[in-house]
Amino acid sequence: AQTVTQSQPEMSVQEAETVTLSCTYDTSESDYYLFWYKQPPSRQMILVIRQEAYKQQNATENRFSVNFQKAAKSFSLKISDSQLGDAAMYFCAFRGFITQGGSEKLVFGKGTKLTVNP
Amino acid sequence: EPEVTQTPSHQVTQMGQEVILRCVPISNHLYFYWYRQILGQKVEFLVSFYNNEISEKSEIFDDQFSVERPDGSNFTLKIRSTKLEDSAMYFCASSEELGQPQHFGDGTRLSIL
Repeated sequence: AQTVTQSQPEMSVQEAETVTLSCTYDTSESDYYLFWYKQPPSRQMILVIRQEAYKQQNATENRFSVNFQKAAKSFSLKISDSQLGDAAMYFCAFRGFITQGGSEKLVFGKGTKLTVNP
Repeated sequence: EPEVTQTPSHQVTQMGQEVILRCVPISNHLYFYWYRQILGQKVEFLVSFYNNEISEKSEIFDDQFSVERPDGSNFTLKIRSTKLEDSAMYFCASSEELGQPQHFGDGTRLSIL
């Protein structure tokens, strides 16, 4: 079974600075997807960024980028030029490749609460 | 941008009562999911649903739980006889196709007294 671990329950960053949130996972599958979701106080979970394991290039989405280390099973999220609106719970999630016998379900970490200080 | 909507936002129910949580997925999406998050714990998968049948369910999704798509727009989760440990935030999600990202609703906070 897959597991996802986020070792930082809470992080804080100054506005305009850069912060990195850690995530490690465990799987025996070779192809899969990894995600970061953001859950602001308004509660809706919003997809931030997605990485396909077969792609060596790290995904980027504006100020958000990932450092995907497949061999180390590590998937960290870097937020550059942090803004007050980035304050939220951030969840790392894993999903298998359905066509390779994987599951469509998302397996989540416990989350990291990010505070952005003005 | 289209959203997944869930109602109610907060449901308070007596233990042993039935509860129905409602979701309206994004209109062109075909795959539907329920997840739950007990306070302070991980978001956990409950069930996935496609083509009017369950495609996968977790060990949490026992006989007390059922899902239904009663019409072309709603997707419901029913808990037949609620227990205290069913208190949690319940999230509905939908995706357009297999392999596409899942889009989540705001969640329903279920409190069992």
